[in-house]
Formats: sequence, structure tokens, C-alpha cells
Amino acid sequence: NAGVTQTPKFQVLKTGQSMTLQCAQDMNHEYMSWYRQDPGMGLRLIHYSVGAGITDQGEVPNGYNVSRSTTEDFPLRLLSAAPSQTSVYFCASRQYGRSYEQYFGPGTRLTVT
Amino acid sequence: AQKITQTQPGMFVQEKEAVTLDCTYDTSDPSYGLFWYKQPSSGEMIFLIYQGSYDQQNATEGRYSLNFQKARKSANLVISASQLGDSAMYFCAMREGSQGGSEKLVFGKGTKLTVNP
Repeated sequence: NAGVTQTPKFQVLKTGQSMTLQCAQDMNHEYMSWYRQDPGMGLRLIHYSVGAGITDQGEVPNGYNVSRSTTEDFPLRLLSAAPSQTSVYFCASRQYGRSYEQYFGPGTRLTVT
Repeated sequence: AQKITQTQPGMFVQEKEAVTLDCTYDTSDPSYGLFWYKQPSSGEMIFLIYQGSYDQQNATEGRYSLNFQKARKSANLVISASQLGDSAMYFCAMREGSQGGSEKLVFGKGTKLTVNP
């Protein structure tokens, strides 16, 4: 199993550009989520999904869109990048009912200039 | 109010000694889980240990143990026999709710641990 994979590892965007951060997992997990980590901070939840076709907002959803068309993939879209979205983005997944688990991807470091 | 508080921005320990990283939490939900993660300079989040609110015994995983004091709402991480490779950021996190649980993991701001030779 590859676990949770994220692409790209690094990305630089100009203000106003859009892009999609990719996340995939091969563990057949129902739950997937996106977090961001700002300097000197812990992770904060952006959006999450409890299954294909079902998504919901987390703590800091503004400026981001998500969709979940398959169990495996959970892309995060930045609609119009802003410098405040400079951060490290982590995708995570777990199986429903196993609240003691949380698998994280390796992260994507995004810089918006 | 912060749900997870880590009061030690930085900690230093000598190699082979034990160290305790503090974490206090705030919740009114009787069902919750507490996590500790390690984040080395390479950036990945490495799961260390989990404690459920109904677990009777303190969790242990190798050199890691969780000192769970429910009445005081504290969940301190104890690392025994520190190694140079333990130098990293350490995050405490909480998930509220029973059954599947809330999807939201709430994180503290972290403690930077430095192990000196």
C-alpha cells in the first residue's frame, strides 16, 4: 500500500492563479480531509469528506473547494490564490469507526507571491 | 478558548534521559480521543500514540507513553531514553465524539524538542 499520497510536493503560485492539490489513498478509507499548517501553528481543518459525493466544511474553508467523486481521490482546489494561502497542506484519511486512527500524506508546500 | 494547550514552545533534553511534553485539553464531550504526532524537519506527520477517554490504562508504544490524567484534563507525552532522532516538533491533538467521531482533529501549537548529545 502506498498509503496517502499528495502531489505536487512544492508549488509556487502568483496571486490570482488557480490550482488543484491532489490527494489519493489506496486503503479504501471512507473519511478524507484537508488540513493546512501555518508557521508556528498546529494543523487546521479546511474541508473533509465522509464518503464519495459527500463533503463538508472545516474550520478554515474560505478560498478552497473540494469534491469527492471516488473513494480514492480528494482534490483541493484553490480558486484564486492569495498570499494568505501560503502554507503547508496535508491530506489525511481514516476508516469510519476507527476514531483512533488518522493517516497523513507527506504534505504540499505552497507559496503564493 | 483553546481546546488544546501546549505550554512549552521548546524543550531540551540530554540523550538517554526521559522527557515529558505537556498537553492540556478542554472539552465537554465525554467521548474523545487524544493523539500525539511527531513532525521532524522533513515535515511529515508521524503518529506516535493514542489515548481514548474511556481507556482505563495509560497508552504506551515502545519508548512513548501517555500520562493521562482525566480529572486534570491533561495528556502528557513521556519519551524515555531520548535519542538524537527524537529532535522534532511534537503536536498534541484531540478528536471529539463517539462512534465514528468528529472528523476534526484539533491541534495544539506544538513543542520543539531538542535532544543534546
